Amino acid sequence: QQKVQQSPESLSVPEGGMASLNCTSSDRNFQYFWWYRQHSGEGPKALMSIFSDGDKKEGRFTAHLNKASLHVSLHIRDSQPSDSALYFCAVSPGTGGYKVVFGSGTRLLVSP
Amino acid sequence: EAAVTQSPRSKVAVTGGKVTLSCHQTNNHDYMYWYRQDTGHGLRLIHYSYVADSTEKGDIPDGYKASRPSQENFSLILELASLSQTAVYFCASSVTVSAETLYFGSGTRLTVL
Repeated sequence: QQKVQQSPESLSVPEGGMASLNCTSSDRNFQYFWWYRQHSGEGPKALMSIFSDGDKKEGRFTAHLNKASLHVSLHIRDSQPSDSALYFCAVSPGTGGYKVVFGSGTRLLVSP
Repeated sequence: EAAVTQSPRSKVAVTGGKVTLSCHQTNNHDYMYWYRQDTGHGLRLIHYSYVADSTEKGDIPDGYKASRPSQENFSLILELASLSQTAVYFCASSVTVSAETLYFGSGTRLTVL
């Protein structure tokens, strides 16, 4: 059964610092990755997707995918208190949205 | 931006009672989903639908039914609510089936007493 492991479970960084989150897929058939962010009391919202090896940058957010190890990381540069949220990694085989599997999340706290 | 609206935002139900959670999307998306969120488990798929009048089981369908009477509306039904169904429920939609971003509603917090 496909599993998505996220680490760390929680992370605390100072404002302006760098936050790094990790995610690993257990099934080689699941190679399409997304990062979702969920603020308290809201639904998850897609931050970015990454399907190819290497880096993908969107503003202060950079995702890095290594398909050989099925590992993706998310780096948040110049972290802001508004980045404090629960971050989910989601993986799919790319053939069906209904096959998306979510990790249990990393809770990020950015302190002013 | 895609819009998915859930109602109610929160609900308290009694054990053994019937609960209906509603979801409405205005994005003309084919796919709709119901997820359950529990602390430590992330999001788990309960039911999904890719066309009106048809629903499919997800990973944890036991104790839940779903109904999709139109492309825009998707309901989750708990015929006999149990304590273990206390959770936050999210509805989501996506354009098509392949490698698509999910758009989530704001969730319904269900407490079963």
